[in-house]
Amino acid sequence: DAKTTQPPSMDCAEGRAANLPCNHSTISGNEYVYWYRQIHSQGPQYIIHGLKNNETNEMASLIITEDRKSSTLILPHATLRDTAVYYCIVRVFTSGTYKYIFGTGTRLKVLA
Amino acid sequence: AAGVIQSPRHLIKEKRETATLKCYPIPRHDTVYWYQQGPGQDPQFLISFYEKMQSDKGSIPDRFSAQQFSDYHSELNMSSLELGDSALYFCASTPDRGGLLDIQYFGAGTRLSVL
Repeated sequence: DAKTTQPPSMDCAEGRAANLPCNHSTISGNEYVYWYRQIHSQGPQYIIHGLKNNETNEMASLIITEDRKSSTLILPHATLRDTAVYYCIVRVFTSGTYKYIFGTGTRLKVLA
Repeated sequence: AAGVIQSPRHLIKEKRETATLKCYPIPRHDTVYWYQQGPGQDPQFLISFYEKMQSDKGSIPDRFSAQQFSDYHSELNMSSLELGDSALYFCASTPDRGGLLDIQYFGAGTRLSVL
């Protein structure tokens, strides 16, 4: 029941913006989009989430298209420490509770 | 700030043995989730608890059981271990289930190796 599609891998030069796309064409009106990253085998780390408005925090920006069928995570100035697997996740309401549906993730490599 | 604590960090077991993984959520978080991540795989949801009651089940084998206790910590019990159970097991907690601040905070995980 995958709800998101992401490119398997991307490279980005250090200091440049990393733009990670995610397709969630079957998202429902009240389902949020979340982004997490996982460095090596550490626990996934929360980055940002949103419903329909663009969001920004100290880590990243989230741009959600008006039809909500896709979104882009932007890391404005990528560093080597941003090398990780980035997961675009849809939070669904099912069986009376909320659940994250993980996609397959994008492996971002930041190059020096 | 306090984070989600998982113990043990590493566990080695033989086939057919049992294992118990523990998770201590962030204080005042009432919802706990368990995930399994096999080698090279994405995290897969196993089970969740809200206010000490099971709230949802994912692809959790019948050999596994879990519960959430009165202090909100949770334990995942795994019996008749198989080689395929070797994986990272993550626990996550959230302070605002279904709300605007519904963010799952993950622990560092328990790496289970079944030999």
